[in-house]
Amino acid sequence: ELKVEQNPLFLSMQEGKNYTIYCNYSTTSDRLYWYRQDPGKSLESLFVLLSNGAVKQEGRLMASLDTKARLSTLHITAAVHDLSATYFCAVGFGGTSYGKLTFGQGTILTVHP
Amino acid sequence: ETGVTQTPRHLVMGMTNKKSLKCEQHLGHNAMYWYKQSAKKPLELMFVYSLEERVENNSVPSRFSPECPNSSHLFLHLHTLQPEDSALYLCASSPLAGGRADTQYFGPGTRLTVL
Repeated sequence: ELKVEQNPLFLSMQEGKNYTIYCNYSTTSDRLYWYRQDPGKSLESLFVLLSNGAVKQEGRLMASLDTKARLSTLHITAAVHDLSATYFCAVGFGGTSYGKLTFGQGTILTVHP
Repeated sequence: ETGVTQTPRHLVMGMTNKKSLKCEQHLGHNAMYWYKQSAKKPLELMFVYSLEERVENNSVPSRFSPECPNSSHLFLHLHTLQPEDSALYLCASSPLAGGRADTQYFGPGTRLTVL
């Protein structure tokens, strides 16, 4: 059974600081996704990582993938309040053309002044 | 409307009621999904439809019955639910990409409360 674990589950940050969210998974996968969810809203796709060493950046967020270590990171640079949300990683497996994702528990990020 | 829409957004029902959740995607995708999001638990994949055929059923109780009449619409029929079924039900869609799945796009969800 594929397990996906995120840490930390709760993250309280000051504006302007940097931090990293970690996503570990238990079996081989060929794709990893990061999503953002605002309270009461749906999931918004942030990044999809498809190969070992992949790195993607959008604004203050940067995601990377190490398939050998079965680890993805989401790095936050100089946090701002607007980044407060829940962040999920999701791992795809099964080699199917449709998605079969297993999600992590989510990391609740709060950025305060 | 654009993206993935879901109705109703909120639903309160008794354990003996029958209701249906509706999902519609306007993205031209060929795969559609139902997920359950409960408090303090990861998102759980419930059902997957690919080209209108059910291809995944993750041990979901029979009181949940999905239906996919065409590639744009997905329903989740509910009957004799239990209070522990109260959750946010999310619909998603994705394109089918020759052997490798693509990003899933989520609807806003239906917040279901079972009394």
